[in-house]
Parts: sequence; structure tokens; C-alpha cells
Amino acid sequence: DTEVTQTPKHLVMGMTNKKSLKCEQHMGHRAMYWYKQKAKKPPELMFVYSYEKLSINESVPSRFSPECPNSSLLNLHLHALQPEDSALYLCASSPPHRANTGELFFGEGSRLTVL
Amino acid sequence: TQLLEQSPQFLSIQEGENLTVYCNSSSVFSSLQWYRQEPGEGPVLLVTVVTGGEVKKLKRLTFQFGDARKDSSLHITAAQPGDTGLYLCAGFDAGKSTFGDGTTLTVKP
Repeated sequence: DTEVTQTPKHLVMGMTNKKSLKCEQHMGHRAMYWYKQKAKKPPELMFVYSYEKLSINESVPSRFSPECPNSSLLNLHLHALQPEDSALYLCASSPPHRANTGELFFGEGSRLTVL
Repeated sequence: TQLLEQSPQFLSIQEGENLTVYCNSSSVFSSLQWYRQEPGEGPVLLVTVVTGGEVKKLKRLTFQFGDARKDSSLHITAAQPGDTGLYLCAGFDAGKSTFGDGTTLTVKP
């Protein structure tokens, strides 16, 4: 099983809504990541969790709030987003023995549209 | 800030042709990955190169890491329509991956 599962696949929300993106992996990976990808652009790192602790926050606005309830789950809580936050949000994970090589296993992403 | 430049940005070729995509940086990376991404999906890892000068082959794809670990290339032999996609290189250092801007490859039958 080499799958990273993201839900929902598509999400449309208003600027006053609160929603969450979810990511799950059962590969025993201990590093998990959130990336944001705009159309025709490369993924941009948002957050890194290592062994369930936040290790990197790339100066992401506080309207994005990550959470790692356990080693298999990663959430991204969304509140008071702006239309420019519309993008594909990608979750990724890295296996412990590969954490020092940068190999990332991505989910299919959650396509977010903010109206 | 570490930057990775990929070239060309777009490439449209006929089935059966060969092609090379380049990934260049002024920074040294401890490793470098190549990913392929199809529309509406996440990137899929193709290969990791770690040692300067390393060459890896994956069927019709050949990956090379520069001697100084600052650049890499991806060569595809006899391209097929199924190779169509966005090819991304990513340099890894200090716990973070930096992605290139990508090369959009279209292989026409």
C-alpha cells in the first residue's frame, strides 16, 4: 500500500466559511507535508510535520491551521480564506529511512475554490 | 533562497522522438528528485539521485546528476503519448525540497 489519501477531492467555500482538508497514509511514514500548487506552477511548501510535531512553517498566513492528530493523519483547517487562496492543496509523506533524501509521496490533492 | 531552473518550459514532440529536460541551480543539493504530474493529480516520484555524476535508468528514461550536485537532466528515448505530463525536478537540502518550475511535455501520436 503506497497511497496517500486526500479528502475532499474538490471543495468550494465562501470567505466566511470554516472547512478542513484531510490527509491519511498508512505506510508508516513519519514526515508529512502540506503543499499549495497554483495552476501551471510548481508545488510550494506550506508546512512540515516530523514525528507529529510541526517542524517547518513557511510563513503561512494564520487562516491556514495545520494539525497532526497522529502519525497517519494530517489536517489543514481553513478559515476566512481569500479568493487568491484557490489552488490545489497537496499532502505528501516521506518514509523514515528516506527522510534524508527528500523523497515525497503525494496524494491526488484537494482542489479548493474560494468564492 | 535556492532556485531551480528547468528548461525548456514547454516541449511538444512527435511520438518516437528523443528529448532532454534540464534542471539547473547555483546551489548544491544533497539529493535531487524527478516527478511526473498529470492534470488534476499529485506528482509521482520517478527517481532520486544522490551521488555526483550518478546516472539512473528507468526503462526509456535516463536521469543524470551533475558532478557538482547542482544540476540534473532527464532524457527520454522514443517518447510515447503516455509520457505526456508535467515533469518537475526537486532539489533537497536542509530538510526541504525546492521545486523547479516544471517542463510541460506533450507527445503527439
